[in-house]
Amino acid sequence: GEDVEQSLFLSVREGDSSVINCTYTDSSSTYLYWYKQEPGAGLQLLTYIFSNMDMKQDQRLTVLLNKKDKHLSLRIADTQTGDSAIYFCAATYSGGYQKVTFGTGTKLQVIP
Amino acid sequence: DTAVSQTPKYLVTQMGNDKSIKCEQNLGHDTMYWYKQDSKKFLKIMFSYNNKELIINETVPNRFSPKSPDKAHLNLHINSLELGDSAVYFCASSQARGIDTQYFGPGTRLTVL
Repeated sequence: GEDVEQSLFLSVREGDSSVINCTYTDSSSTYLYWYKQEPGAGLQLLTYIFSNMDMKQDQRLTVLLNKKDKHLSLRIADTQTGDSAIYFCAATYSGGYQKVTFGTGTKLQVIP
Repeated sequence: DTAVSQTPKYLVTQMGNDKSIKCEQNLGHDTMYWYKQDSKKFLKIMFSYNNKELIINETVPNRFSPKSPDKAHLNLHINSLELGDSAVYFCASSQARGIDTQYFGPGTRLTVL
């Protein structure tokens, strides 16, 4: 089955850029997602990328996909204290019944 | 205008009891899910239903039984609760086709004493 790995913790200063990394094992993964979980809340989709794309930008968020290395990253520009949360990478493939595998989550701490 | 709702938000109970968590989505989605998030925040899928039909059933004890009375509802019943069942349980839903964005409920924090 698919394995999705992330580093557990990242600390950055307010105003700096944050880069959260993720690796996955299934090369047939078609859709790759980033979800955000704030304390006491459910997961909220931030952005997604199709496997035929290398990059996607959405305001302060930039997603980079290296399909050869099966590596996905999320860059948050001008990180704010409100960005403090746990970020989950997730992967799925177009076949089957859409089983999405979530990563271990990266806790982002933004220091004022 | 809540998209995915769960009840209750908190559930505290004794070992050995039976409890249910309810989930409803008003997004018109065909697929619903139950996830378990442990204390380390690891998120694991438990079940998935598509149009009331069970399509994903991960390695979950038989004490957990999902029930989908219609495609807008997916309830989770847990028998003979154990300490290890303490976790946050999330319900989610998605469209059966197209982009597989899952919309999550707010979670139910279950504490077994």
